[in-house]
Amino acid sequence: DAGITQSPRHKVTETGTPVTLRCHQTENHRYMYWYRQDPGHGLRLIHYSYGVKDTDKGEVSDGYSVSRSKTEDFLLTLESATSSQTSVYFCAISESARGGNTEAFFGQGTRLTVV
Amino acid sequence: KQEVTQIPAALSVPEGENLVLNCSFTDSAIYNLQWFRQDPGKGLTSLLLIQSSQREQTSGRLNASLDKSSGRSTLYIAASQPGDSATYLCAPEGGKLIFGQGTELSVKP
Repeated sequence: DAGITQSPRHKVTETGTPVTLRCHQTENHRYMYWYRQDPGHGLRLIHYSYGVKDTDKGEVSDGYSVSRSKTEDFLLTLESATSSQTSVYFCAISESARGGNTEAFFGQGTRLTVV
Repeated sequence: KQEVTQIPAALSVPEGENLVLNCSFTDSAIYNLQWFRQDPGKGLTSLLLIQSSQREQTSGRLNASLDKSSGRSTLYIAASQPGDSATYLCAPEGGKLIFGQGTELSVKP
């Protein structure tokens, strides 16, 4: 299995509080992604990173920010959590996003509940 | 903007049947396409990756095809088993992975 660890695995937080989710990899892969998964919407891309300090927005980036100060860590921050951000969050990694044999691997997910 | 559609949304078959899952995408400028499996409450497991220059990729009872120009991919599962029950997702990659909503497969003993 690819070395991807998401933390925490479960979190309950109150509306308006800041929340940070962490994705840690041991594969030295260049690309890292954050997705959210909701019933009826499938997996939607929030933000992704193509290198240290290089990030870009995905389909549903409003209300989220990310940071990547080291190759191995990609942080997703909800500055002020809202109930609409209750979801399961997945991190993924891939060596490249420009073709070749560049499989993406996923973490086990973080279940976030905003009450 | 890449949009991915998977048909059918759900499928129930008796054990032993061969079946085909369909994936279509709107932007054919992709580098590869990946098929994943997701069990309830779990993360995604990669099944097959087809590079844009390939037409097919096989792994055991699974065979995936890719027609980039028409924006289509299929996942063929031979001799289905109850353990194949899961949600199957396709994701074309053109700089970032974009997912369809998946096909929920149930294989009955």
